[in-house]
Amino acid sequence: GIQVEQSPPDLILQEGANSTLRCNFSDSVNNLQWFHQNPWGQLINLFYIPSGTKQNGRLSATTVATERYSLLYISSSQTTDSGVYFCAVGQGAQKLVFGQGTRLTINP
Amino acid sequence: NAGVMQNPRHLVRRRGQEARLRCSPMKGHSHVYWYRQLPEEGLKFMVYLQKENIIDESGMPKERFSAEFPKEGPSILRIQQVVRGDSAAYFCASSIQGYHGYTFGSGTRLTVV
Repeated sequence: GIQVEQSPPDLILQEGANSTLRCNFSDSVNNLQWFHQNPWGQLINLFYIPSGTKQNGRLSATTVATERYSLLYISSSQTTDSGVYFCAVGQGAQKLVFGQGTRLTINP
Repeated sequence: NAGVMQNPRHLVRRRGQEARLRCSPMKGHSHVYWYRQLPEEGLKFMVYLQKENIIDESGMPKERFSAEFPKEGPSILRIQQVVRGDSAAYFCASSIQGYHGYTFGSGTRLTVV
């Protein structure tokens, strides 16, 4: 089945810093989503982005489907950005395969 | 719109008991998905349902686990004769027809003692 690799596995930054999270996948996909799991365990959908670029406030994402990767950018980090960021991909039927996540810690 | 509602939030069961997890999708969403998250791991797909139909159950263990999404009422994930290895967070998500973005519920944390 399709493989999803996220990097880095852990990232520790100071408040105000910028960060780039990467997601590589092993096959063509028609569904790619980024999620944030906050320290209380809630999963928030950040982007549905099988291709192209989207922006939402301090967050933006780019997926280059032909090269099988996606990037999530977080600018001017805040402590509330802490948590685990998951990339998930799908082919055809709407089942998603999740990566192992990037654990982001933003220190004040 | 209350979002995807899961209950209970926490469930403790003794080995051998049954666990029933409920999920009410967002209003207007006809697709429901169940995922399991073991500690410190990503989410693993279990089952995809539409009203009264199981579309894809390729991630469901062959025994003890079942899921339904009846015409009326919430989707139910049922685990019979629970074992310690079933301890995990179980998340439900829903989406609308033709759009692949998911909305997740807050999850049910199952602990088997």
